[in-house]
Amino acid sequence: DTGVSQDPRHKITKRGQNVTFRCDPISEHNRLYWYRQTLGQGPEFLTYFQNEAQLEKSRLLSDRFSAERPKGSFSTLEIQRTEQGDSAMYLCASSPGQGSSYEQYFGPGTRLTVT
Amino acid sequence: GENVEQHPSTLSVQEGDSAVIKCTYSDSASNYFPWYKQELGKGPQLIIDIRSNVGEKKDQRIAVTLNKTAKHFSLHITETQPEDSAVYFCAASILGDYKLSFGAGTTVTVRA
Repeated sequence: DTGVSQDPRHKITKRGQNVTFRCDPISEHNRLYWYRQTLGQGPEFLTYFQNEAQLEKSRLLSDRFSAERPKGSFSTLEIQRTEQGDSAMYLCASSPGQGSSYEQYFGPGTRLTVT
Repeated sequence: GENVEQHPSTLSVQEGDSAVIKCTYSDSASNYFPWYKQELGKGPQLIIDIRSNVGEKKDQRIAVTLNKTAKHFSLHITETQPEDSAVYFCAASILGDYKLSFGAGTTVTVRA
């Protein structure tokens, strides 16, 4: 297994457009997380899934953001009507979610630039 | 919610010297403390973690210490090498809560 993968790696969009990002977690990891990282800051939690169930959403996740994990495998994060403030690195992480395995493993991220 | 503060924001060390990064947390219920290393253009990489039932953990040249009473934990890198140059993040969470709260990061530069 090669780790968490994210697609695309970079996305440039115009304000007002919709964008969708994809995350493929490590195989058999049943927890999946989305974080957002702005320049010079640590990642900030957005939401997480246990299998296909979205269990928690941060207040950072406005109504324009929606995340899904339809079959408990890959996940998508959609941002509607993008704003310049949405420009950031969007990171996905996964963890085994079983027993005492709490380690979260991150993907390379999708860098979003809204012009 | 949990607030994690990290110091210093930048750290420059001579190759072979030690580097120490310190973090404090606010929520006494936090009991899991991972450290991540992030290189340019990459996602954070887990390098070591510690749970609140131990005070110190070591893995080769890196070690982490935890003081639950004072609510602070530290990363120690010994015999630094140029490949240790990166941004390091501390984080905290409550086991069972799962979301990580990160510090703002420390940019470590190892001078050859």
